[in-house]
Amino acid sequence: DVKVTQSSRYLVKRTGEKVFLECVQDMDHENMFWYRQDPGLGLRLIYFSYDVKMKEKGDIPEGYSVSREKKERFSLILESASTNQTSMYLCASSGGTFGYTFGSGTRLTVV
Amino acid sequence: GQQLNQSPQSMFIQEGEDVSMNCTSSSIFNTWLWYKQDPGEGPVLLIALYKAGELTSNGRLTAQFGITRKDSFLNISASIPSDVGIYFCAVLNYGGSQGNLIFGKGTKLSVKP
Repeated sequence: DVKVTQSSRYLVKRTGEKVFLECVQDMDHENMFWYRQDPGLGLRLIYFSYDVKMKEKGDIPEGYSVSREKKERFSLILESASTNQTSMYLCASSGGTFGYTFGSGTRLTVV
Repeated sequence: GQQLNQSPQSMFIQEGEDVSMNCTSSSIFNTWLWYKQDPGEGPVLLIALYKAGELTSNGRLTAQFGITRKDSFLNISASIPSDVGIYFCAVLNYGGSQGNLIFGKGTKLSVKP
């Protein structure tokens, strides 16, 4: 069964901390994506990557960075967490035209 | 950026009722997708539509790709409690700054037993 695995389901971090959200896929997909989901706002694209070491900004990249050192792993980094980054974070991967496979999400609370 | 208008935003229905939701765009897209997100999980692909006018079924779900290629609808017949969740429409967007998929804001479905 193909999978996108996010390392944590729930995280609580303090304001100002550096936070790492990890995502691993086992489908040998080229493309990986990070979204955040907030009530009433749907899924908003933060960053995406089409290949190892490549990254592109999505719609809301401010306050975030990403790392893709290996094809199967795409990390989202909150450089200095703030309370307005409290959200559900979803990772996805794609091999082409058949849509995305999503992970189960990480619910991050910044206090 | 490009947007999809998805409606309704939320629905409260009785078990056994049929459900209909739709998604429209100001631009033409050649692939429309419908996802469902169960509470506490990531979205899962339900139906993919590749041809204008196409009507596709998956069990109690039926989706249509509009003939103008600017809209799609999803119907759920005889709803059951496990239909609860958020339904997203999405389109494949080649090029641009938004990656492969553009998502609607979702329709939250609640079903009363």
